[in-house]
Amino acid sequence: DAGVTQSPTHLIKTRGQQVTLRCSPISGHKSVSWYQQVLGQGPQFIFQYYEKEERGRGNFPDRFSARQFPNYSSELNVNALLLGDSALYLCASSLEEGARSPLHFGNGTRLTVT
Amino acid sequence: GDSVTQMEGPVTLSEEAFLTINCTYTATGYPSLFWYVQYPGEGLQLLLKATKADDKGSNKGFEATYRKETTSFHLEKGSVQVSDSAVYFCALSDSWGKLQFGAGTQVVVTP
Repeated sequence: DAGVTQSPTHLIKTRGQQVTLRCSPISGHKSVSWYQQVLGQGPQFIFQYYEKEERGRGNFPDRFSARQFPNYSSELNVNALLLGDSALYLCASSLEEGARSPLHFGNGTRLTVT
Repeated sequence: GDSVTQMEGPVTLSEEAFLTINCTYTATGYPSLFWYVQYPGEGLQLLLKATKADDKGSNKGFEATYRKETTSFHLEKGSVQVSDSAVYFCALSDSWGKLQFGAGTQVVVTP
């Protein structure tokens, strides 16, 4: 079975631009979460969606937004990019929401802002 | 708020040595605890988990026990291989499934 797939794998953008990252969860998984991993640090929670509804939002500015589609895939949008947004963006899916349903991560999208 | 603290790396070991990575946490309630591993250029893979006090998670020779009294979840492996070289993350989960990660510990195993 396919795991969590993310696209693109790498992306280079200029300050002030906008970017959209895409994620397809494991088949049958209804919950999708997004994490930002800056080089040398642990991942930081950005968003969680379940059944197309936002269930949680981390401490990120309003420039970050996301949505989940009827087929449970998800997009993360970042507007007005800053140099500090350069990071590995990880998508994770789980069968259900809640701590007992472990997260399965994709390989991430490496975003570089110049 | 919730937080996870794990020992700094890099940890450099010879093959077949014993590995311990310390992890302590601060949380309200009774979180679930996890160890994830990240190989170069890849995402995170769940290594093991424990959902309540005194539970022991184990996988691929790695073990960790949920110690509520010391708020710890130390990772151990009795005999490491070169293929265990990676970054290891300790994490806790709130009731909604949101993960709070530690900063990660790089492990380097030499032949």
